[in-house]
Amino acid sequence: DIVMTQSPDSLAVSLGERATINCKSSQSVLYSSNKKNYLAWYQQKPGQPPKLLIYWASTRESGVPDRFSGSGSGTDFTLTISSLRAEDVAVYYCQHYYGTPITFGQGTRLEIK
Amino acid sequence: QEQLVESGGGVVQSGRSLRLSCVASGFTFSSYSMHWVRQAPGKGLEWVAVISNDGTNKYYSDSVKGRFSISRDNSQNTLYLQMNSLGVEDTAVYFCARDWGYGSGTYFVSWGQGTLITVSS
Repeated sequence: DIVMTQSPDSLAVSLGERATINCKSSQSVLYSSNKKNYLAWYQQKPGQPPKLLIYWASTRESGVPDRFSGSGSGTDFTLTISSLRAEDVAVYYCQHYYGTPITFGQGTRLEIK
Repeated sequence: QEQLVESGGGVVQSGRSLRLSCVASGFTFSSYSMHWVRQAPGKGLEWVAVISNDGTNKYYSDSVKGRFSISRDNSQNTLYLQMNSLGVEDTAVYFCARDWGYGSGTYFVSWGQGTLITVSS
């Protein structure tokens, strides 16, 4: 099984500052035939289901603000929030879909400093 | 507007069975794979199972294989999860989620609000 490891576990950032969350997979999730990284990012606020932010490692879901961006390839990925807003307080998860079982990272809790 | 509504949650004794349902609306249910994902109280997300759009292919996490069964009724736009031999470790909120595609699983485009299963010893 592919193990997804996020860092840090929690993060406190000032409003307007950049937040960076890392995700590392135990094996590459880059599919050689189509050159796509099978990785997604989600945001989960308290009492709500997760919300898709990014798929194929760097494609932003429709309606997601452009301050959210995804990058990386192979085994190392990053979710960046360019200018933190109060409504971005949440837990963020990465997820691979390079076959089953699908697995998630343990989550990163983002708070305001 | 896509909507997924789960039902069937509640308190159940260890060793018993329960069936969850998820009714879909706002999209062509029969065109997409569907998943169950769970979240234990205060914990992270755990993928449980996926079923292809036509119900032909099903995959499970090791933690539920042999105990849980995923199925769907495309005529009723409904996804199911039959859960047998429940243990306290199965206590969680169970979400149904729509896949981007129709095969063995990719990313989750939409989610229900979830239904809570509490397994008591």
